[in-house]
Amino acid sequence: ILNVEQSPQSLHVQEGDSTNFTCSFPSSNFYALHWYRWETAKSPEALFVMTLNGDEKKKGRISATLNTKEGYSYLYIKGSQPEDSATYLCAFRYGGATNKLIFGTGTLLAVQP
Amino acid sequence: SAVISQKPSRDICQRGTSLTIQCQVDSQVTMMFWYRQQPGQSLTLIATANQGSEATYESGFVIDKFPISRPNLTFSTLTVSNMSPEDSSIYLCSVDGLRSDTQYFGPGTRLTVL
Repeated sequence: ILNVEQSPQSLHVQEGDSTNFTCSFPSSNFYALHWYRWETAKSPEALFVMTLNGDEKKKGRISATLNTKEGYSYLYIKGSQPEDSATYLCAFRYGGATNKLIFGTGTLLAVQP
Repeated sequence: SAVISQKPSRDICQRGTSLTIQCQVDSQVTMMFWYRQQPGQSLTLIATANQGSEATYESGFVIDKFPISRPNLTFSTLTVSNMSPEDSSIYLCSVDGLRSDTQYFGPGTRLTVL
């Protein structure tokens, strides 16, 4: 059974704080790791697709790193803003079934103004 | 990226009834995917729908409970049959991007079964 775990489950921070979340996934048969941001009543928004060990991607104040050998990815948000409040999902895509995404349960971020 | 719409956005249904969820994409796609998220759980793939063939169901999901139609390359429906409170979930459809490097999702259908 392929398992993807995210921590923490939820996080409450003040505006301006920097924060990070963890995604753990199987280290074997890796194909890609996806990060999504999901706001209530909206479509999950694709943030990053990461494929290479050591990958580091950045989009504005959000960045992510990838370690495929040990099976983890970190998502960082620098200077959190209230509009960053959302659930952040990671999803593992494994070789041999490249269309299937295995999701973690997400990290719910609440940024207080 | 693909623009995906779903109908209805939410519904409250009685036990034993069925609900059909529609998914419309703004471009032609080969595969469409149906997911659900039960409360406190992760997004879980229900089935993959190809146009012109039977949908492929994941372990734990069966066609009698979740029949899927895929009449053309831009549209699909998922029916949740003979509903029980355990079917209360958010149901989402998705499609692969042009380079299949990511998946794009609809806004979801929030279903509550009483």
